[in-house]
Amino acid sequence: QMQLEESGGGVVQPGRSLTLSCVASGFPFSNYAMHWVRQNPGRGLEWVADVSRDGGTRYYGDSVEGRFTISRDNSKNTVDLQMNDVRVEDTGLYYCAKSMFSGSFHFDLWGRGTLVTVSS
Amino acid sequence: EIVMTQSPVTLSVSPGERATLSCRASQTISTNLAWYQARRGQAPRLIIYSASTRATGVPDRFAGSGSGTDFTLTISRLQSEDYGVYYCQRYDNWPTFGQGTRVETK
Repeated sequence: QMQLEESGGGVVQPGRSLTLSCVASGFPFSNYAMHWVRQNPGRGLEWVADVSRDGGTRYYGDSVEGRFTISRDNSKNTVDLQMNDVRVEDTGLYYCAKSMFSGSFHFDLWGRGTLVTVSS
Repeated sequence: EIVMTQSPVTLSVSPGERATLSCRASQTISTNLAWYQARRGQAPRLIIYSASTRATGVPDRFAGSGSGTDFTLTISRLQSEDYGVYYCQRYDNWPTFGQGTRVETK
């Protein structure tokens, strides 16, 4: 059974850092690009970042470019999101998601999410 | 930036009835559109991709249609497990989502 499970969320002060992790199981992890998508009440669902199958190519949404870094470890079936200089507007439920086709930008598997709250 | 607009915001439907959800793109996206179902406490679920192709395991009461800028998700014979929030998403370029349509019990 294909599955994604996120962890690492919590309460963090503005300007600080937090790292989210996602572990995958049930499918050949290294065959697919992986993504982070977030949801907050004010902005709905927002794509955050993606990393290619081999980890060599990464793309970011405009709102996180330069502050967040996505990475993956194919030996451990994990994908991480390092969040630096967090802002109040980064608050939300962060989902890990799998590309449906190797590098596609639609997602056939999501985790249940991990909640990040940015507050002083 | 292409904006995805969904309507209505909330749809009240009785079990067994039909639900029709709309999604409009501000520019043409061909058929590069997906629909997802989100239920509280659960992982979002892909329902439709390529505007009209049902994802694996999705029952045939779900149907997607449209191309270009106007798209529709139809749920015929609504069942209890179908209630939730539905999002459309373009993926011709950087993915963007609509704001969602909540399908609730009438």
